[in-house]
Amino acid sequence: KQEVTQIPAALSVPEGENLVLNCSFTDSAIYNLQWFRQDPGKGLTSLLLIQSSQREQTSGRLNASLDKSSGRSTLYIAASQPGDSATYLCAVESSYGKLTFGQGTILTVHP
Amino acid sequence: DGGITQSPKYLFRKEGQNVTLSCEQNLNHDAMYWYRQDPGQGLRLIYYSQIVNDFQKGDIAEGYSVSREKKESFPLTVTSAQKNPTAFYLCASSITSTGELFFGEGSRLTVL
Repeated sequence: KQEVTQIPAALSVPEGENLVLNCSFTDSAIYNLQWFRQDPGKGLTSLLLIQSSQREQTSGRLNASLDKSSGRSTLYIAASQPGDSATYLCAVESSYGKLTFGQGTILTVHP
Repeated sequence: DGGITQSPKYLFRKEGQNVTLSCEQNLNHDAMYWYRQDPGQGLRLIYYSQIVNDFQKGDIAEGYSVSREKKESFPLTVTSAQKNPTAFYLCASSITSTGELFFGEGSRLTVL
């Protein structure tokens, strides 16, 4: 059974710092890995999707990498801003149509 | 605007009552999903449907039922058999070719 773990559970940084969020998964046979952002009381917003054949994806200040063999993904956020404060979740699709989610990292960026 | 619409946003229910949560999408996605989110836990899959008139149980389907009569719609019924229904419910749909998942804004159900 696939298990997804996100470290750290919470992170507080000053504005302007570069930061890394970690996601690990136990079964490397995945179709893809997706990073999401969730604001309090809201739905999830897709940030980046990495297919199993890809090593990384970039969107603006965000960069996500995938190392299937070690079961790890990282989300790098450059020059963090207070508006980046949210919960970040990763999810892996290891059987068609079924995603397994991590519990998320709560990020706070203070001015 | 294309997207996923969930209603109602907030719902209160007495014990023993069935309630139905609505999910409509105009993204032309084939696959739709229902997840449940509880504090301190990751999202858990309740049901999913990859095509009209077909759906499969997820990891926590007991006490829930769904239908998929139209491509755009995937309502979820929380029945009285669900022992702990108070939660945040999220509907999603996906692009078949990439698997990218898109979510609605959620429905918060509270059982009084």
